Amino acid sequence: SYVLTQPPSVSVAPGETATITCGGNKIGSRSVHWYQLKPGQAPEVVISYDSDRPSGIPERFSGSNSGNTATLTISRVEGGDEADYYCQVWDSSSDWVFGGGTKLIVL
Amino acid sequence: QLQESGPGLVKPSDTLSLTCTVSGGSISPYDWSWIRQTPGKGLEWIGYISHSGTTNYNFSLKSRVTISVEMSKNQFSLKLSSVTVADTAVYYCARRIGTIEYFDSWGQGTLVTVSS
Repeated sequence: SYVLTQPPSVSVAPGETATITCGGNKIGSRSVHWYQLKPGQAPEVVISYDSDRPSGIPERFSGSNSGNTATLTISRVEGGDEADYYCQVWDSSSDWVFGGGTKLIVL
Repeated sequence: QLQESGPGLVKPSDTLSLTCTVSGGSISPYDWSWIRQTPGKGLEWIGYISHSGTTNYNFSLKSRVTISVEMSKNQFSLKLSSVTVADTAVYYCARRIGTIEYFDSWGQGTLVTVSS
């Protein structure tokens, strides 16, 4: 089965840039989607197909994908960005695969 | 909108049953999944039912999972049998449109605790 690896946590000061990685074998050949999860709220996709930003998602959120690493970048981090972030791909043998999740801590 | 409902406490070896109610539109054109979040394993896709009634389940849970749909009520359901404490999680229902590879709409999730 396909495995996605994320750092357990990333800490960043307000106004700085947060970078969350998602590692996988040749992940650059796949489409990666990113979700934001906050307690008590419905999860929300913040980036789809590597770098597409759905309507309503701030421009501060961006994504890239190449080689063995996909990256979610959040610029000018705000307190409201504190959440768990998950990457996800579709795999022909495992269907929908998620990374282990990264907790973004805003200092 | 999607809203999960069901018991928040289930005894070990019992069957976990949850329902997702879809409001604001018809259930029929979309595919519907159940996904759970556990402290140790993060998000895990459980299975889905397509708009045509086809089901597909996570291989690791396949022997215990049943997903069904009730079109007249705009609802779909999850049954997970023989639960253990490892099945304690927040359970989400989610929607997928057409052939897109991601879930574009989710419920708020419901916590299910397995405990005697």
